[in-house]
Amino acid sequence: GAVVSQHPSRVICKSGTSVKIECRSLDFQATTMFWYRQFPKQSLMLMATSNEGSKATYEQGVEKDKFLINHASLTLSTLTVTSAHPEDSSFYICSASSGLNEQFFGPGTRLTVL
Amino acid sequence: QKEVEQNSGPLSVPEGAIASLNCTYSDRGSQSFFWYRQYSGKSPELIMSIYSNGDKEDGRFTAQLNKASQYVSLLIRDSQPSDSATYLCAVLVWGKLQFGAGTQVVVTP
Repeated sequence: GAVVSQHPSRVICKSGTSVKIECRSLDFQATTMFWYRQFPKQSLMLMATSNEGSKATYEQGVEKDKFLINHASLTLSTLTVTSAHPEDSSFYICSASSGLNEQFFGPGTRLTVL
Repeated sequence: QKEVEQNSGPLSVPEGAIASLNCTYSDRGSQSFFWYRQYSGKSPELIMSIYSNGDKEDGRFTAQLNKASQYVSLLIRDSQPSDSATYLCAVLVWGKLQFGAGTQVVVTP
């Protein structure tokens, strides 16, 4: 099956710093990658959709200047949380799609902002 | 009204029994439907996809779709303790997955 990796799996940072999360599709080319956020006891909320070589499309309420997304290649997308604050602490999950209907999820990154 | 609705549970199922999970959706134009399993602290794992009305079986899992009723369900036969997880129903709308809140399943030995 399709494999998606994320790095790091867990990160703790101080308030005001920036954190970069990488998402890679290991065995297929991902034309589209998605970034989700999941708070405890809640379902996944889509933050943004990114297509290789294009600007990301952000969902309503998601600050594009705070959550920077880069999709530079068909196998790599990055999410940078800039000037992180405690309320940004969450489980960030990427998914990748090869253009068909199915999305394959990475293992997630747990961000804790102190 | 939420786009995708599921009972939150928990759904308690004796080991070896059938777990039945239900999901309704609001967008009649939806064509693709998915069931994901998510263990606590982990990311979702795709277990079933279904695109046409009727049943689709894969091992111990059976997905059922009724587009007229805007209803999709998942049956887990011979439930095992390892099936204890949250099951997320997802509907593809305009290229984006819309998730239900998830149903927690607890399989008791």
